[in-house]
Amino acid sequence: DTEVTQTPKHLVMGMTNKKSLKCEQHMGHRAMYWYKQKAKKPPELMFVYSYEKLSINESVPSRFSPECPNSSLLNLHLHALQPEDSALYLCASSHTVDGFSTDTQYFGPGTRLTVL
Amino acid sequence: AQSVSQHNHHVILSEAASLELGCNYSYGGTVNLFWYVQYPGQHLQLLLKYFSGDPLVKGIKGFEAEFIKSKFSFNLRKPSVQWSDTAEYFCAVTAAGNKLTFGGGTRVLVKP
Repeated sequence: DTEVTQTPKHLVMGMTNKKSLKCEQHMGHRAMYWYKQKAKKPPELMFVYSYEKLSINESVPSRFSPECPNSSLLNLHLHALQPEDSALYLCASSHTVDGFSTDTQYFGPGTRLTVL
Repeated sequence: AQSVSQHNHHVILSEAASLELGCNYSYGGTVNLFWYVQYPGQHLQLLLKYFSGDPLVKGIKGFEAEFIKSKFSFNLRKPSVQWSDTAEYFCAVTAAGNKLTFGGGTRVLVKP
């Protein structure tokens, strides 16, 4: 099973709202990732978690706050977002992280976020 | 830092035509190479990957790619496309100590 699940599929929020995106994998992977994908663009790395610890933050604004409660779950807490943050947010996982990752990353279907 | 370039932004072709998508990367060391596909409204799926060994890699759905180290290339091919191959294709590269870097993507439209 190479499935990464994400909820919700769609999210519309105002700039003053607080919401969370969730990601789950049961492949025993110890590295998990958040990416942001704007329309017609490739995914851009936001965060990397390795063994439930944040290992990489790609200079993401603090209005995005990741959390890894356990090895299977990854959350992205959103607060005071801007309309330009509207995008597809992708979660991925891989077996291990070596610095970054040299293993295959498996992606979830994403959450399409619209900020009004 | 590594970078990936995909030469074609858009490709339009008819069913049964052959497809070749170019991918070049810039990194002097050992790399791992991937092709991902994103069908309309669906998530990124791994088509194939190269880590080591035979430079001609076969993936799912009849796709294959050839790693040519001297040319820093990893081109994707399919001998005969179908309408269902309409999608966006991303080449990606990673190396030890570096993140997965995607190319800009190529949108492929297969006309029935």
